Amino acid sequence: QSALTQPASVSGSPGQSVTISCTGTSSDVGGYDSVSWYQQHPGKAPKLIIYDVNNRPSGLSNRFSGSKSGNTASLTISGLQADDEANYYCSSYGSSSTVYVFGTGTKVTVL
Amino acid sequence: EVQLVESGGGVVRPGGSLRLSCAASGFTFHDYAMTWVRQAPGQGLEWVSSINWNGGSTAYADSVKGRFTISRDNAKNSLYLQMSSLGAEDTALYYCARELDAGHGDFDYWGQGTLVTVSP
Repeated sequence: QSALTQPASVSGSPGQSVTISCTGTSSDVGGYDSVSWYQQHPGKAPKLIIYDVNNRPSGLSNRFSGSKSGNTASLTISGLQADDEANYYCSSYGSSSTVYVFGTGTKVTVL
Repeated sequence: EVQLVESGGGVVRPGGSLRLSCAASGFTFHDYAMTWVRQAPGQGLEWVSSINWNGGSTAYADSVKGRFTISRDNAKNSLYLQMSSLGAEDTALYYCARELDAGHGDFDYWGQGTLVTVSP
């Protein structure tokens, strides 16, 4: 099963909003509401920021939101801050032999 | 405080074996499915293997199937990954992670990783 497709990079100015897409197939993203998003700063472990498409872990900023339409999931970061500069990965449950599949990753740059 | 601490990484020759461990604390270990995820240098995340709460159900990525074995010891609050027939493509930082809701792929706590380098 191939990795989910994400744009390599997105950028925005402080205070703006950016959206990252995550495209899969009907066998993963489109077939299940089990899409998660992770933030990873350089040299650090990934951090769960969205699960089950649009749920935030307790205590996480509401500037992060998720959605899904068909085979594409999206992560929106509103009110962009300097600390949001990181790599972001989506993941999904998949019905093939690869139970979970990650996205290719997107580098978010705050201008 | 939830903590996951990996160990057992190192340098191994192609064809060799290695056993990774992950010590869990701060939560009821046997209540959760656990997972190994790896990240090759400068690359993205790759799911490796998952195990359910009691070890009765396991799953593997195609890239490691038949070479890696995941297991757990709930009495010791520990997760393991036995790796054999290692190749250069297995060089990566290996993370253990807790799955918030089994079967959903929502990994809410991660360790800091243990580095495996496969080199002649």
